[in-house]
Amino acid sequence: AQKITQTQPGMFVQEKEAVTLDCTYDTSDQSYGLFWYKQPSSGEMIFLIYQGSYDEQNATEGRYSLNFQKARKSANLVISASQLGDSAMYFCAMRDWTSYDKVIFGPGTSLSVIP
Amino acid sequence: ETGVTQTPRHLVMGMTNKKSLKCEQHLGHNAMYWYKQSAKKPLELMFVYSLEERVENNSVPSRFSPECPNSSHLFLHLHTLQPEDSALYLCASSQSGVGGGMNTEAFFGQGTRLTVV
Repeated sequence: AQKITQTQPGMFVQEKEAVTLDCTYDTSDQSYGLFWYKQPSSGEMIFLIYQGSYDEQNATEGRYSLNFQKARKSANLVISASQLGDSAMYFCAMRDWTSYDKVIFGPGTSLSVIP
Repeated sequence: ETGVTQTPRHLVMGMTNKKSLKCEQHLGHNAMYWYKQSAKKPLELMFVYSLEERVENNSVPSRFSPECPNSSHLFLHLHTLQPEDSALYLCASSQSGVGGGMNTEAFFGQGTRLTVV
């Protein structure tokens, strides 16, 4: 069965520093997509970045980049130059062919940016 | 309007009440989802509708009843809920199946914060 693991329940980072949020996943499919979402205290889920299993390059979107290591089945999110507004819950998620019609989420990591 | 809209944003209901949550998407997607998010618990997928057919029901109690009258609208009918059903209920949509692919992310509404008293 598909599974997403995020081993860091809570993380702290100094403003303007970089931070890495860990994500490992389990799937038997060769074709899958990985996503990161941000959930501020307001509750809405905001899509940040996507990585396809066949993408050779690591995905980047502004200050967000994804450190994709396929053999290790890990897809860590790197946030550079942290800002106070980055304080939120961060969820790693996956879609694969077995669960094609749904996106499965990990338990999340709470990030706090310290001034 | 754009994106995914959920109403109401907040709902307080008694255990004997009947209420409905509404979700509307203006993105032309063909799949819609209900997720439940309880405090300190992972996001739980409740129901999946693809092309207006229910394709997933993750052992959700019958006091939750989904309805998808068309590809743009999704409802969650609630009746005789329990206090442990208090949570944030999130609706999402995506393009799936024909016309979709692995890189189609789910777009979320702002959620309905439900309190059962």
